[in-house]
Amino acid sequence: GAVVSQHPSRVICKSGTSVKIECRSLDFQATTMFWYRQFPKQSLMLMATSNEGSKATYEQGVEKDKFLINHASLTLSTLTVTSAHPEDSSFYICSARDLTNKKETQYFGPGTRLLVL
Amino acid sequence: GQNIDQPTEMTATEGAIVQINCTYQTSGFNGLFWYQQHAGEAPTFLSYNVLDGLEEKGRFSSFLSRSKGYSYLLLKELQMKDSASYLCAVMDSNYQLIWGAGTKLIIKP
Repeated sequence: GAVVSQHPSRVICKSGTSVKIECRSLDFQATTMFWYRQFPKQSLMLMATSNEGSKATYEQGVEKDKFLINHASLTLSTLTVTSAHPEDSSFYICSARDLTNKKETQYFGPGTRLLVL
Repeated sequence: GQNIDQPTEMTATEGAIVQINCTYQTSGFNGLFWYQQHAGEAPTFLSYNVLDGLEEKGRFSSFLSRSKGYSYLLLKELQMKDSASYLCAVMDSNYQLIWGAGTKLIIKP
C-alpha cells in the first residue's frame, strides 16, 4: 500500500521552543493531508485539514496561531507547534488522502511523539 | 450530532474468531474504515467499505450495512499479535473521518 512518512519520530524540547513535524506521502500525491493528536488511551482527535496551496482548516478549539500548518507541495505538509508547553506533549499523527484508483483511502504516517519539558 | 459506537474492550482466545461491531450516525457517508492500532503506534489501515456486503482480506473481513448504520470487523484464526485496538471510522459528507473510541482486543493463549 501507499506509504506516508513522518519526521521526526520522537522529539524532546524545552518549554517555549517551536517544533516542526514533517509529513510526506512517498508514492502518491496528496492534495489533502490531515493532522491528528492522540493523548494516551484516547481516540485520535482531528486537529486540522491541510490542503495543498491553500490555508488549513482547523477544528474547533485548535489554535491556528499555535499549530501552524503549511502544505507546500503535493507530497509534503508540515505542522509547527509554536512556543510549546508541557500540555502540548502528545502523539501527533498525519494522514494523507489517496484518491488514485478512484478509491478513497487515508494512509497514516507512523506518528511523532512530542515531549515538552 | 455525529456518533460512532464500538465496544470498549473484548477478550478472545488464540485460534478463535472474534467480531467487533461498530454502529454509526453521521452527516453523510463516504465509506467506513477499520484500522488496527498497536500501543504507542499510529493506526494501520485494514479495510474500507462503501457498498453493502462483506469484504474479505485474508484472516480479516469487514461487513457493512448502510441502511442499518452498522459494520463489523471479523478476525479469524486469532494470533497473539492481533492484540491491539481496532478503530472504526466513518467518512462523512465533507470527507472527514469521524472516529470511534476504539475497541481494545485482548487475546489469551
